[in-house]
Amino acid sequence: EDQVTQSPEALRLQEGESSSLNCSYTVSGLRGLFWYRQDPGKGPEFLFTLYSAGEEKEKERLKATLTKKESFLHITAPKPEDSATYLCAGAPFSGGYNKLIFGAGTRLAVHP
Amino acid sequence: GAGVSQSPSNKVTEKGKDVELRCDPISGHTALYWYRQSLGQGLEFLIYFQGNSAPDKSGLPSDRFSAERTGGSVSTLTIQRTQQEDSAVYLCASSSALGPNYGYTFGSGTRLTVV
Repeated sequence: EDQVTQSPEALRLQEGESSSLNCSYTVSGLRGLFWYRQDPGKGPEFLFTLYSAGEEKEKERLKATLTKKESFLHITAPKPEDSATYLCAGAPFSGGYNKLIFGAGTRLAVHP
Repeated sequence: GAGVSQSPSNKVTEKGKDVELRCDPISGHTALYWYRQSLGQGLEFLIYFQGNSAPDKSGLPSDRFSAERTGGSVSTLTIQRTQQEDSAVYLCASSSALGPNYGYTFGSGTRLTVV
């Protein structure tokens, strides 16, 4: 069964304290691995798509990496405005990009 | 419009009543998706439209759930005879002609509470 597991469930950081969020996946024939950010009361906002092991993508203080079993979202010197829930999702071979398998998310709180 | 619009933003309904949730995607986006987000759980796929057709409706939980899309634009998700386990946030998303691998644009969702 296709599955995406995110850890930790919640993470509290001090401003400037770098850390990483983990996304483990067992998705058959993974076509792509997505990261989204979700603010309270809002829909998820697209961040990155990664396609193959070894690939990295960056956006401001965020860098996403992909291995054959996991993806990491590295947050460098976070600011309070980075506080949100970060969602990871896999696109399986069957269904592809039109039927994503989402993890439950990591709630990140960055305190000044 | 500038973004994906969903209405209503909140809906409280009595068990056994029917509800309709509306999604207005970004103009020109041909693909439209419905997902459900329950507390503490990941988003769950419900159905996907390409134009007015639904190539994949495998995520609809039961025959009480149905969805349609008209004019390649607005979509309606209907839940008949609502049950308490239907309580969740229902999210709609659309994707551009570039392809869904470039990411979905989500609406803010409809929070459905069945009492």
